[in-house]
Amino acid sequence: DAKTTQPPSMDCAEGRAANLPCNHSTISGNEYVYWYRQIHSQGPQYIIHGLKNNETNEMASLIITEDRKSSTLILPHATLRDTAVYYCIVRGLSGNTPLVFGKGTRLSVIA
Amino acid sequence: GAVVSQHPSRVICKSGTSVKIECRSLDFQATTMFWYRQFPKQSLMLMATSNEGSKATYEQGVEKDKFLINHASLTLSTLTVTSAHPEDSSFYICSARDREVFREKLFFGSGTQLSVL
Repeated sequence: DAKTTQPPSMDCAEGRAANLPCNHSTISGNEYVYWYRQIHSQGPQYIIHGLKNNETNEMASLIITEDRKSSTLILPHATLRDTAVYYCIVRGLSGNTPLVFGKGTRLSVIA
Repeated sequence: GAVVSQHPSRVICKSGTSVKIECRSLDFQATTMFWYRQFPKQSLMLMATSNEGSKATYEQGVEKDKFLINHASLTLSTLTVTSAHPEDSSFYICSARDREVFREKLFFGSGTQLSVL
């Protein structure tokens, strides 16, 4: 079962920052927080992941609270192409550990 | 970045036939691959985990004799849906893990839409 809770849907105006929250209150010390997104009829796309420090890459920023019980994915300047389902996933790093997907957040970027 | 190629992207078959889906890691060696399926408006559901050179591990409720998985090399895993029926119609997606231990990402193929008539 997924270990995360996300709002089912969110809207964001084009050009504005999209802030997607995720609760993972049962996360254990060796588990990472991953974010993937899935655009309709495609395979999931990796966005970012982190353990406890905030992370930033060319796609997004990941803000993890100090107690690690929640996090926020930030898309700094959302475009129409960012419309997708965003999945927050908690995963340990054992080699055979898969990604277990919850229901995710459907982000709609509006012109 | 790492690329996972999945083929075919779409297949339509008659009930009772078998369909093979290929998943290749193009620029890395994948010791572990995962197979998922996704029904319309639902999330991805893990079907099985395959390790190169060994038998796949199936999730509860997934019939191993119906969904045959072969992971014969470090770059190729195949999923064969045997005697497909309309209820097997779904979006099938593979994922691969890079064998380099410091790489923590899993990469996904583009998916295969299976329609069984």
